[in-house]
Amino acid sequence: DTAVSQTPKYLVTQMGNDKSIKCEQNLGHDTMYWYKQDSKKFLKIMFSYNNKELIINETVPNRFSPKSPDKAHLNLHINSLELGDSAVYFCASSQGFQGGGNTIYFGEGSWLTVV
Amino acid sequence: EDKVVQSPLSLVVHEGDTVTLNCSYEVTNFRSLLWYKQEKKAPTFLFMLTSSGIEKKSGRLSSILDKKELFSILNITATQTGDSAIYLCAVPPGGTSYGKLTFGQGTILTVHP
Repeated sequence: DTAVSQTPKYLVTQMGNDKSIKCEQNLGHDTMYWYKQDSKKFLKIMFSYNNKELIINETVPNRFSPKSPDKAHLNLHINSLELGDSAVYFCASSQGFQGGGNTIYFGEGSWLTVV
Repeated sequence: EDKVVQSPLSLVVHEGDTVTLNCSYEVTNFRSLLWYKQEKKAPTFLFMLTSSGIEKKSGRLSSILDKKELFSILNITATQTGDSAIYLCAVPPGGTSYGKLTFGQGTILTVHP
């Protein structure tokens, strides 16, 4: 069983559309994240939730809205998609905060292409 | 703001070569440094380093941390084509901030047969 699973894996959509990426983890972790990896391969955190509560909200356009219905799920909704939103979006989870000896587990990524 | 810089950005070698990847960092209240390998999909965890001078080893991969000079190296000996990947270095924040890993830009390693 995949520990952190994201859907869809690949998504091609037109500018201006609204799309969602779903993420689920079956590790029993209490913290989930969304990271964005751009064309230069830079991984940057976007959001982090701990026990369904938003902990980290980086400088991300308001068009991006995360939703965590429960500890095991963290979905990412993107409104009015722009060309620059094309990237790979990684969901991840961990037990507790990083740096305390815990490992962060990544999903396999959702390749979003905006045309 | 925490900062992680990796070098080289890309590296092309032949099977059997030994490579050294570098990661330098600036972080407030350093806790640990993480190395990940990213092939076509998710980054996978390699090492977590917390103490200077103690080498972590896993097969042909090894890594060491220098907290005085603020860098880490990842060595891969006798490289194989399966080692071709992006190698990412990351540092978590100090304090109690949840999971805001700061990643370097990665080193793209290509190993030719």
